[in-house]
Amino acid sequence: GENVEQHPSTLSVQEGDSAVIKCTYSDSASNYFPWYKQELGKGPQLIIDIRSNVGEKKDQRIAVTLNKTAKHFSLHITETQPEDSAVYFCAASRGSGNTGKLIFGQGTTLQVKP
Amino acid sequence: DAMVIQNPRYQVTQFGKPVTLSCSQTLNHNVMYWYQQKSSQAPKLLFHYYDKDFNNEADTPDNFQSRRPNTSFCFLDIRSPGLGDAAMYLCATSRDLAGVGNEQFFGPGTRLTVL
Repeated sequence: GENVEQHPSTLSVQEGDSAVIKCTYSDSASNYFPWYKQELGKGPQLIIDIRSNVGEKKDQRIAVTLNKTAKHFSLHITETQPEDSAVYFCAASRGSGNTGKLIFGQGTTLQVKP
Repeated sequence: DAMVIQNPRYQVTQFGKPVTLSCSQTLNHNVMYWYQQKSSQAPKLLFHYYDKDFNNEADTPDNFQSRRPNTSFCFLDIRSPGLGDAAMYLCATSRDLAGVGNEQFFGPGTRLTVL
């Protein structure tokens, strides 16, 4: 069935360094790839997403890259700050229609040390 | 300014005692989802409503039911909570089924404790 693998499960970086989280998906029909940030005790918040017709998207310190051929996508956070510490989830979706549900990765706990 | 509201934020119930969790949205979205999230795990989709059409996930236990009386509100009913049902329950909405241009907005969640 549909599956999204996410690595690493935990990531610790020094403030100011970059952080990279990688995901691989199994369903070649997936065409939408959001990333969510979840802080302790809160619901996931969408931070960036990318469509399958785009290879890279950037929003200030956050960027996402997509390699459709290899079926993997990555989240890049530059100049990390302590407030970036949270659990990050990648997800994949086929898009609208009955198969439009999100398939989540297992999550990455990011710790940014001051 | 809240868009997806969940009440209560914390719910304690007894083993086997029915409990209802509430979700409301101000976005007028067509789709409302219920997820279960256990500690250190990804959210797991239980079911969703597309307008009035209910769509159950194949592995969702019968113990979990849902109601959507109108566009704005959706309820999660747990008929006989077991200890294994203790989790964070997340409600989410999207304009259409998730995908290109239809991002999912999550509520803050309800933390359910079963004694």
